[in-house]
Amino acid sequence: EVQLVETGGGLVQPGKSLKLTCATSGFTFSNAWMDWVRQSPEKQLEWVAQIKDKSNNYATYYAESVKGRFTISRDDSKSSVYLQMNSLKEEDTAIYYCTWSWLHWGQGTLVTVSS
Amino acid sequence: DIVMTQGVLPNPVPSGESASITCRSSKSLVYKDGKTYLNWFLQRPGQSPQLLTYWMSTRASGVSDRFSGSGSGTYFTLKISRVRAEDAGVYYCQQVREYPLTFGSGTKLEIK
Repeated sequence: EVQLVETGGGLVQPGKSLKLTCATSGFTFSNAWMDWVRQSPEKQLEWVAQIKDKSNNYATYYAESVKGRFTISRDDSKSSVYLQMNSLKEEDTAIYYCTWSWLHWGQGTLVTVSS
Repeated sequence: DIVMTQGVLPNPVPSGESASITCRSSKSLVYKDGKTYLNWFLQRPGQSPQLLTYWMSTRASGVSDRFSGSGSGTYFTLKISRVRAEDAGVYYCQQVREYPLTFGSGTKLEIK
């Protein structure tokens, strides 16, 4: 059974950092392209970042709204994908989901940026 | 960026009737391989999004054949036949033709 579990969310002040982890199991992670998607309190879905697999040189792509502040990475030995979020803004407040192939999603982790 | 614009449904839809959700993209989603890179998702309250169709019209594993996707390069429709209570939620279209990947704003479906 495919499982994706996000952790690392919480309440953080503007300007601070947070690192999200998505631990996976049940599929060949090393071949997978992984994405992070967030959902704002207004329920709008926004794609955040993608990381491809080793055969694609672990290429990464970002939404303009997070480029330069967020970094997606992966550890194939741990079947995990990460989202390092720096210089957080209030508008980054959202539920953050990781997804594989758009078919499998985690339950999400809530990030709240507020002073 | 490719902008995805979704239509509004005349809610609620009576159980057993059909519902069609529309989505328009600001640029063609047809890639050079001939496939149309358009996904449809359903998000039920309190749940993560669920993939319904990809490549515009291919149903995802386990998805009922009551769901069917169609369209052209820039105009798309998700038809739900014989709607049931379990179909209630918000439907999102998404283009995966080019980066940045973008979603529509969602279309709410209520069942009567």
